[in-house]
Amino acid sequence: DAGVTQSPTHLIKTRGQQVTLRCSPKSGHDTVSWYQQALGQGPQFIFQYYEEEERQRGNFPDRFSGHQFPNYSSELNVNALLLGDSALYLCASSLRFDQPQHFGDGTRLSIL
Amino acid sequence: SQKIEQNSEALNIQEGKTATLTCNYTNYSPAYLQWYRQDPGRGPVFLLLIRENEKEKRKERLKVTFDTTLKQSLFHITASQPADSATYLCAFNYGGSQGNLIFGKGTKLSVKP
Repeated sequence: DAGVTQSPTHLIKTRGQQVTLRCSPKSGHDTVSWYQQALGQGPQFIFQYYEEEERQRGNFPDRFSGHQFPNYSSELNVNALLLGDSALYLCASSLRFDQPQHFGDGTRLSIL
Repeated sequence: SQKIEQNSEALNIQEGKTATLTCNYTNYSPAYLQWYRQDPGRGPVFLLLIRENEKEKRKERLKVTFDTTLKQSLFHITASQPADSATYLCAFNYGGSQGNLIFGKGTKLSVKP
């Protein structure tokens, strides 16, 4: 039973570019959340998707957007990349919003 | 706004001892809180969940307490082993924010043989 898978594992971009990160949730999970984790910090909630709609959003600008597909997989898009966007981006899935979340190993995004 | 503080960035203990990690929150109590373990280069792994009406939860060598009066959760690892060395994160969820977990910065635990 595969857990949460994320791709790519590492990515290097330059300022101003756009990036798309992908996530496949754990089998049977219908809710996907995205987090940003800066070095030495805890994960910070970006947004959550359920039934292909954004249900909750954290304190992130509109440059951060997402999508959930009918098979529950999800994408995180970031436009106009800034140096401060360098971080580990984590995807987490759960069966319900109040159940423990299962995390992938993240995508390490570096902005030059 | 709600804040979470994990009392120390790092904790060093001897193998066999009990590790106790602290997580404090401000303002109103969360609906539930969770503890996760994170190894370098990996995503967090869920360990325990405790709800606001529960005082204590146990799982093997792990124990979590939730004190709404002190606005604090304690996480204990008994008979600690070097394999327990990792960063431990506490995360709160507030009623109405459904799934929006607020994480602390984490405490890096090192268990020396």
